[in-house]
Amino acid sequence: GAGVSQSPRYKVAKRGQDVALRCDPISGHVSLFWYQQALGQGPEFLTYFQNEAQLDKSGLPSDRFFAERPEGSVSTLKIQRTQQEDSAVYLCASSLALTLGSPLHFGNGTRLTVT
Amino acid sequence: AQTVTQSQPEMSVQEAETVTLSCTYDTSESNYYLFWYKQPPSRQMILVIRQEAYKQQNATENRFSVNFQKAAKSFSLKISDSQLGDTAMYFCAFVDGGATNKLIFGTGTLLAVQP
Repeated sequence: GAGVSQSPRYKVAKRGQDVALRCDPISGHVSLFWYQQALGQGPEFLTYFQNEAQLDKSGLPSDRFFAERPEGSVSTLKIQRTQQEDSAVYLCASSLALTLGSPLHFGNGTRLTVT
Repeated sequence: AQTVTQSQPEMSVQEAETVTLSCTYDTSESNYYLFWYKQPPSRQMILVIRQEAYKQQNATENRFSVNFQKAAKSFSLKISDSQLGDTAMYFCAFVDGGATNKLIFGTGTLLAVQP
């Protein structure tokens, strides 16, 4: 596709359930980022991949959050035993180059609601 | 720690008029990039304009321009001839390199363009 694709667009989970959010970056993009955006706030960094290597996971809020990008393209963000505070929009972004200032291309996000 | 501050939670402007959104940031790095992103209700982050810290000339993209004051660590966005389609959340963001090139976002300004 032409842009970053995320699925599902909306996800409702009962507290304690596991969820998996998918990100399809732009073909050929090396860098992939996950961000969490709480209601009325700016996006906050979760994790970063360069190809299949997860180089930074300093933003993951707990060990319930896990991300992977096994073949260096599609990425999945998994949240185990969801809690109400996990409710947010999860944004994925990709970038072609590794150089400073390379523009990020964002998907439409997945809105997760934990009830 | 790097921070980005947007002190205006909401702004309103009449169609065809000019509006300025404020942003300040804090960093000890000498080279970095600053961005303004727009987020309409569709949730997709759209790059509006980008400025490299080494460039003294203010960036311009059609109706959008910035006032970059490096010494004051200020990076405001001016929107001229405001249009109804400019209604959105606007986020100021910053990247200073390091291993991940991750963006740090402000809390956003909700801009409403009134007919």
